[in-house]
Amino acid sequence: DGGITQSPKYLFRKEGQNVTLSCEQNLNHDAMYWYRQDPGQGLRLIYYSQIVNDFQKGDIAEGYSVSREKKESFPLTVTSAQKNPTAFYLCASSIRDRGSDTQYFGPGTRLTVL
Amino acid sequence: AQSVTQLDSQVPVFEEAPVELRCNYSSSVSVYLFWYVQYPNQGLQLLLKYLSGSTLVESINGFEAEFNKSQTSFHLRKPSVHISDTAEYFCAVSGYILTGGGNKLTFGTGTQLKVEL
Repeated sequence: DGGITQSPKYLFRKEGQNVTLSCEQNLNHDAMYWYRQDPGQGLRLIYYSQIVNDFQKGDIAEGYSVSREKKESFPLTVTSAQKNPTAFYLCASSIRDRGSDTQYFGPGTRLTVL
Repeated sequence: AQSVTQLDSQVPVFEEAPVELRCNYSSSVSVYLFWYVQYPNQGLQLLLKYLSGSTLVESINGFEAEFNKSQTSFHLRKPSVHISDTAEYFCAVSGYILTGGGNKLTFGTGTQLKVEL
């Protein structure tokens, strides 16, 4: 089955710790995205990558970092510099990065910082 | 710049009744519009999209949306809802990112549809 996987589904971390969220896709898509979802705020773009070894900041990149060493993988690190990291994180991918391309979403990771 | 407004944060409706979820957008470039649905603790699933051509687009499960350029709207409708339609619905507009390149999907804040017996 083709799709996007995110792991883990739930993640608990202590304040001040870095944590890495996994996102893998086997759709052969060039573009990948990370969003953060908070209640009542919709989805906000953290980082996006149009192609391997390249990525760009989105609207709320502060306190986050990414890498894109392989086409199928786009991990997100939530650093200790992120002031309010507790949220639902969604990864998405699309064939390319054209406006008409549909973004397909993974199941999400819920991060809770204690 | 682009933005999406979903004025209704919650819409309660009885089963088998019609429903309309409102979406208004602003965009200075060519418009591509999307509706996504999210069930609790899950990712988003594409419901339907408007790229060009016919202004009325339909999904496989009975939803439809009409692109209205003059009113900058893309409202989602269903003539008869089912309990299983209970979910959160997000409207989104796609546009070009000036800095960094690529295209950005801008989401509304979502509408929670609650179908009651």
